[in-house]
Amino acid sequence: NAGVTQTPKFRVLKTGQSMTLLCAQDMNHEYMYWYRQDPGMGLRLIHYSVGEGTTAKGEVPDGYNVSRLKKQNFLLGLESAAPSQTSVYFCASFTGGTGTSGRYEQYFGPGTRLTVT
Amino acid sequence: LAKTTQPISMDSYEGQEVNITCSHNNIATNDYITWYQQFPSQGPRFIIQGYKTKVTNEVASLFIPADRKSSTLSLPRVSLSDTAVYYCLVYNTNAGKSTFGDGTTLTVKP
Repeated sequence: NAGVTQTPKFRVLKTGQSMTLLCAQDMNHEYMYWYRQDPGMGLRLIHYSVGEGTTAKGEVPDGYNVSRLKKQNFLLGLESAAPSQTSVYFCASFTGGTGTSGRYEQYFGPGTRLTVT
Repeated sequence: LAKTTQPISMDSYEGQEVNITCSHNNIATNDYITWYQQFPSQGPRFIIQGYKTKVTNEVASLFIPADRKSSTLSLPRVSLSDTAVYYCLVYNTNAGKSTFGDGTTLTVKP
């Protein structure tokens, strides 16, 4: 049981390049989230999904797109990277309810550190 | 979504009890209060949740007054390993999402 995994762990992009970040979870969770965390700041929600085939915008969606074609995977795309997108990106998953634990608990991945030059 | 406000930083010493208060004035009926801990270079980790009154688990207690406009995370007898950033989140069960504030950086000194 790997929990939530993120690929890649580190990446350096040049301005204007594109890339896709992959998040995978093996807990059969319905909900998945993408956050970004800038230095010294809290996490800000980019996009989220409440089930396979659905996506919704969070607080800071501009410049990003997402897809949830399979329940276990949530992809975050940057079509044309900008230096302002330099950040650490965290993915999280959640049952969608209290589940067997009775908790509204999000499980986070280890993060992807992205630098755009 | 309810916005949260926490102190930016707190200092404590090993063995002391630490209380971190979070303000969430516009909390809604369908909102649950959750707290997370984050170490450097790691994702946040769930600590505790509550709706009202007091909740206690093996690592912390959470106190929520009747009006639910604030909550206090209590960490008993902290150690150096409790040095981390603590986030208060209000999770909205209708929207299926929550908002992170900027968190409280707790530094435990020997």
